[in-house]
Amino acid sequence: GENVEQHPSTLSVQEGDSAVIKCTYSDSASNYFPWYKQELGKGPQLIIDIRSNVGEKKDQRIAVTLNKTAKHFSLHITETQPEDSAVYFCAATQISSGSARQLTFGSGTQLTVLP
Amino acid sequence: SAVISQKPSRDICQRGTSLTIQCQVDSQVTMMFWYRQQPGQSLTLIATANQGSEATYESGFVIDKFPISRPNLTFSTLTVSNMSPEDSSIYLCSVGIGQSGNTIYFGEGSWLTVV
Repeated sequence: GENVEQHPSTLSVQEGDSAVIKCTYSDSASNYFPWYKQELGKGPQLIIDIRSNVGEKKDQRIAVTLNKTAKHFSLHITETQPEDSAVYFCAATQISSGSARQLTFGSGTQLTVLP
Repeated sequence: SAVISQKPSRDICQRGTSLTIQCQVDSQVTMMFWYRQQPGQSLTLIATANQGSEATYESGFVIDKFPISRPNLTFSTLTVSNMSPEDSSIYLCSVGIGQSGNTIYFGEGSWLTVV
């Protein structure tokens, strides 16, 4: 089955700096890679996702890159703000035949943005 | 996106009792997933629930402990049976939404503490 590794487990950055979180996956059949932000006391919120037919996707201050050959993908947050502080999870799955499949999650990164 | 409502949002339960968690989605979905998130940990899939068929359980999870119902395309329940303190976790409902059901969203979770 799929295995997803996520690094670092904790990350502290100064407000305004950039943050990068990296994940690797093992199953070359995986083709959907979402990122979730989980604030304390809340469920995971989808913040961005990427599919295997693109190498990069951007949404305002958030971007995700995917390297299929190396089987790794990364989350980039620019101009960080204190409200970006949360736990971030990467995940991978194979979407096929029009149906969703279960996600395999990374272990999570606790991001702290220092004011 | 999707609106996924879970009930209860939080509960304190007595050892040996059972609790049923409800998940309601604002649109019809083929597959629903139930995850568990133990304190400070990542998300682990419990089972996949298709409407009209038996749920498919992941290794380490059994139907007697986590019975699931899926009576229609917008609703599912997960029961945590004969609870012990080790069952204290967040239980999360997840669905695939959108074209081909391939964007995956989570509910806010049900936070259970077993005493």
